[in-house]
Amino acid sequence: SQQGEEDPQALSIQEGENATMNCSYKTSINNLQWYRQNSGRGLVHLILIRSNEREKHSGRLRVTLDTSKKSSSLLITASRAADTASYFCATDKQGAQKLVFGQGTRLTINP
Amino acid sequence: KAGVTQTPRYLIKTRGQQVTLSCSPISGHRSVSWYQQTPGQGLQFLFEYFSETQRNKGNFPGRFSGRQFSNSRSEMNVSTLELGDSALYLCASSWLTGVEKLFFGSGTQLSVL
Repeated sequence: SQQGEEDPQALSIQEGENATMNCSYKTSINNLQWYRQNSGRGLVHLILIRSNEREKHSGRLRVTLDTSKKSSSLLITASRAADTASYFCATDKQGAQKLVFGQGTRLTINP
Repeated sequence: KAGVTQTPRYLIKTRGQQVTLSCSPISGHRSVSWYQQTPGQGLQFLFEYFSETQRNKGNFPGRFSGRQFSNSRSEMNVSTLELGDSALYLCASSWLTGVEKLFFGSGTQLSVL
């Protein structure tokens, strides 16, 4: 079973708007990562947040982590057409020594 | 610096055949992980290799195997192919572990007919 579950499964917004995706997980983690995948291609690492961190920024990306609720959110501000992709969260469950990916959120940015 | 290279990009096989996929990690990266991606199951961890040793394994049957060479290049093999093995197979490399920032290749799209 998947450790991480993204919500929503699909999101369609207008260019310039902000996009928020959420990820929930089940067990204690060491870190949580977000990746982007353009159709049929490999994944690209976006950001890593450790369990003792609450918020991280990278350019137009903002990630939050709430370990008490076992959830994370990815905010993309001022979206662009090039942001159209699938976004995955991946968790490093304590003791597992492997990344477990969620099912992803498919984001579409309409011009 | 060259990225992760996977070959071939596309592959078509028939049931019962076997297939070998190749992955060249980023220079200096010693950890190589393999993932299977399907529309129904999403991204599933296959295994991770470090210094020619399998360090971690996912929940896949023994038909799925892999190895890593002294130059960190890795191969995975699937024997006795089944229709359900049709998937995008992704290789990812990192410096030391399979749980830090991963660099992915473009994948091998395997179709089993």
